[in-house]
Amino acid sequence: AQRVTQPEKLLSVFKGAPVELKCNYSYSGSPELFWYVQYSRQRLQLLLRHISRESIKGFTADLNKGETSFHLKKPFAQEEDSAMYYCALAVYGGATNKLIFGTGTLLAVQP
Amino acid sequence: DSGVTQTPKHLITATGQRVTLRCSPRSGDLSVYWYQQSLDQGLQFLIHYYNGEERAKGNILERFSAQQFPDLHSELNLSSLELGDSALYFCASSALRGGGHMDTQYFGPGTRLTVL
Repeated sequence: AQRVTQPEKLLSVFKGAPVELKCNYSYSGSPELFWYVQYSRQRLQLLLRHISRESIKGFTADLNKGETSFHLKKPFAQEEDSAMYYCALAVYGGATNKLIFGTGTLLAVQP
Repeated sequence: DSGVTQTPKHLITATGQRVTLRCSPRSGDLSVYWYQQSLDQGLQFLIHYYNGEERAKGNILERFSAQQFPDLHSELNLSSLELGDSALYFCASSALRGGGHMDTQYFGPGTRLTVL
């Protein structure tokens, strides 16, 4: 089965603290994973994708195939990081690509 | 701004009614995807169109249908609306036709549908 699990609905940290948003996936093929962010009242924006291996806004994520995880990390949280974060798995099915999303984690960064 | 536009922003209607949501993809993108975001189901893939042709269906009800026009804009039609259809409906666009290497999907701002 194709599934993305984000176990935490809410993660509250203080400014300057490290952040780790957890994401685990289930997929029989070769996974391609994304993190999307949704700031309050705004559209979903791509934060990063694992094949790019780039750091956006200080966030990084490493694909761990052994643990089937793609956790999002940032060493020092900022208040402007407060948002909803979604992990997504790309599924290739013949004629289409579609994204399977996790349920999201709300990150709240306290001053 | 990702360049994907959706209208209307908000829609309030009654049960049993029919509505049409509109999406314009980014310039040059040929694929349009529709997703439904609800409190209980999260973000769910509904349907994918490429250059006017339906490519795949996800968890889309029979009461829902979509199409993509020659100018590449897409419409999602929801009929016989029920209270449970209240949700945020997103469209996303991408350049490729799908089925191979994943290209980035860029999302629109969404249409919030409220069924009373």
